[in-house]
Amino acid sequence: DVKVTQSSRYLVKRTGEKVFLECVQDMDHENMFWYRQDPGLGLRLIYFSYDVKMKEKGDIPEGYSVSREKKERFSLILESASTNQTSMYLCASSWSISGNNEQFFGPGTRLTVL
Amino acid sequence: AQRVTQPEKLLSVFKGAPVELKCNYSYSGSPELFWYVQYSRQRLQLLLRHISRESIKGFTADLNKGETSFHLKKPFAQEEDSAMYYCAPSSGSARQLTFGSGTQLTVLP
Repeated sequence: DVKVTQSSRYLVKRTGEKVFLECVQDMDHENMFWYRQDPGLGLRLIYFSYDVKMKEKGDIPEGYSVSREKKERFSLILESASTNQTSMYLCASSWSISGNNEQFFGPGTRLTVL
Repeated sequence: AQRVTQPEKLLSVFKGAPVELKCNYSYSGSPELFWYVQYSRQRLQLLLRHISRESIKGFTADLNKGETSFHLKKPFAQEEDSAMYYCAPSSGSARQLTFGSGTQLTVLP
C-alpha cells in the first residue's frame, strides 16, 4: 500500500518566516510533486522532481524552492512566507513507467500565514 | 498553453438520477487523461484513466479527441458519490498533471 506522508497537517507562520514542508513516500517512486490547492482554482503545480537532486518548475514556482536530497523525500521551502501563500499544500508521488503513472497524494498541510 | 476547463463549479443531482461532469482540454500532443476524486476528509485519489477504459464505481469517461472532451458519467448517482472531482491531463518529463478547477458534486437523497 503506497504511503505518502507530510510532516504537518496544520501550520501557522508569520509573514517573513522561512517555512519547510516535508514529504516522504515509501514506494521508491521516481517522481514527486508539490501542489497548492485553493477553492475555485483547483490544484496548481508548484515544483516537481523526476530524480534525486533534479527539479523543475511547475506553473507557479514564484516564492518557493524545493530540495530532493534523497529519493523518498521532497521538501518545499518558502524562503519568506507571505499571506498570499496561505493555502492547502499537497504532495504526490508516482512511478515513471509509461501507462502506470498514477499519482498518490499525501493528506495535505494547511498553512496559514499571518 | 495547456488548459483544462471544468465549467461547473457546483453540481447537484438527486439520488438515482444520471450525472455528467464536463471536462474540456486544450493540449498539444496526445495527453493521458485522468479523473481524480476527493471525498470529504480523505486524500485526493485516482478515479479512472482513459487508457484503461474501465468503469470504476459505476463511472465511465469517454475521450472525444474531436471535441477535446473527457466527460465523466454515471447513469444512477448515489449519495456516496458526493465529492470534489478533478479532470487532469498528464504530459511532460514526469507526466505531471494539470488539474481543472474541480466540480463539487452533491447527490441529494
